[in-house]
Amino acid sequence: AQSVTQLGSHVSVSEGALVLLRCNYSSSVPPYLFWYVQYPNQGLQLLLKYTSAATLVKGINGFEAEFKKSETSFHLTKPSAHMSDAAEYFCAVGDAGNNRKLIWGLGTSLAVNP
Amino acid sequence: DAGVIQSPRHEVTEMGQEVTLRCKPISGHNSLFWYRQTMMRGLELLIYFNNNVPIDDSGMPEDRFSAKMPNASFSTLKIQPSEPRDSAVYFCASRDHRNIYGYTFGSGTRLTVV
Repeated sequence: AQSVTQLGSHVSVSEGALVLLRCNYSSSVPPYLFWYVQYPNQGLQLLLKYTSAATLVKGINGFEAEFKKSETSFHLTKPSAHMSDAAEYFCAVGDAGNNRKLIWGLGTSLAVNP
Repeated sequence: DAGVIQSPRHEVTEMGQEVTLRCKPISGHNSLFWYRQTMMRGLELLIYFNNNVPIDDSGMPEDRFSAKMPNASFSTLKIQPSEPRDSAVYFCASRDHRNIYGYTFGSGTRLTVV
């Protein structure tokens, strides 16, 4: 069965500092991996996705993630945090079965301090 | 495209009352998903439809919950009778079969049962 673990339910960084949100996955087949962002009182938006092409994936708003098979990780990074990055971030793995559902992590809340 | 449209945005109801949440998916998307989001359990998939047919309702918590998709442009999630533990944000998402992991989420309905 596939699963996703997000390490750290809350992360706090200073404005301008590096953002690192951790995600580890478990999958018996090559995974499709996703990061979504949820701003307050809004739905989820796709930040980026890995679908077995380049291992370094660039997304919107300056975010990127690197797929590391040996570490079963797909950590999300941004070199310099902005106040507007404060949000909830979800990592997800695509169900390898026919139904192609997303299996979600519990989310990481990112706070950005001035 | 207006995106996935959910109504109402907020619902406050008394315990025991019937609650109906509505969703209009993106035109042309053939899959529709209902999710529930709570602090304790994160994002839970309740049910999803392909071509208006329910495919997997294993996430529906109990018989008080029911979902329908009478046509490709409309779905409802009904709770009858509602209980305080049903308080959550309910999201609808739709997907195009040509982009199997391309989910678009609505802004959610925040349900409070008092």
